[in-house]
Amino acid sequence: SQQGEEDPQALSIQEGENATMNCSYKTSINNLQWYRQNSGRGLVHLILIRSNEREKHSGRLRVTLDTSKKSSSLLITASRAADTASYFCATYRKMKTSYDKVIFGPGTSLSVIP
Amino acid sequence: NAGVTQTPKFQVLKTGQSMTLQCAQDMNHEYMSWYRQDPGMGLRLIHYSVGAGITDQGEVPNGYNVSRSTTEDFPLRLLSAAPSQTSVYFCASSYDPLFGNTEAFFGQGTRLTVV
Repeated sequence: SQQGEEDPQALSIQEGENATMNCSYKTSINNLQWYRQNSGRGLVHLILIRSNEREKHSGRLRVTLDTSKKSSSLLITASRAADTASYFCATYRKMKTSYDKVIFGPGTSLSVIP
Repeated sequence: NAGVTQTPKFQVLKTGQSMTLQCAQDMNHEYMSWYRQDPGMGLRLIHYSVGAGITDQGEVPNGYNVSRSTTEDFPLRLLSAAPSQTSVYFCASSYDPLFGNTEAFFGQGTRLTVV
């Protein structure tokens, strides 16, 4: 089973609206990152939040982390057509006996309609 | 600054053929890795390297080989292509060997089809 799973799988909104995506995970983590992927392109890092942080902001992005619920949310405010992309959460867990695990979820596909 | 460069962008192979996917980065990053992306699966780690001469297996290493002779290059070799290896392959690098503690930089991807 996957460590990180985004919800919803797909989201369609009007330009100017806010978009919220959620990520749930199963085990303890050291940090969590959000990435964006435009169609046919590689992933681009958006924001990293550590396990001892609850909220981070970057421009129109707001990320929260609730370690008690093992969940994170990504909020994009005042969405633009250029925000149309897939968004992935990646959880990082330092391991003692194997390689450090960075696990990506299956992603949320966001469509922003002009 | 080119970042992470992958070649080719597209490739069609016949079952049983071998090929090498190239990855180069110009950021002097120690950590490099290969992922495959399949629909509904997220990215899965194939192999990774924490520096020149050091490689290790990830989550799905079977059917793939890697080597790291220089800091800049991290090629991925498919030994005998199978239809199950049809996927989009991404190379990523970061300056922190503890990948996950910092951002990773991704290449544009190689879309591979095995027929």
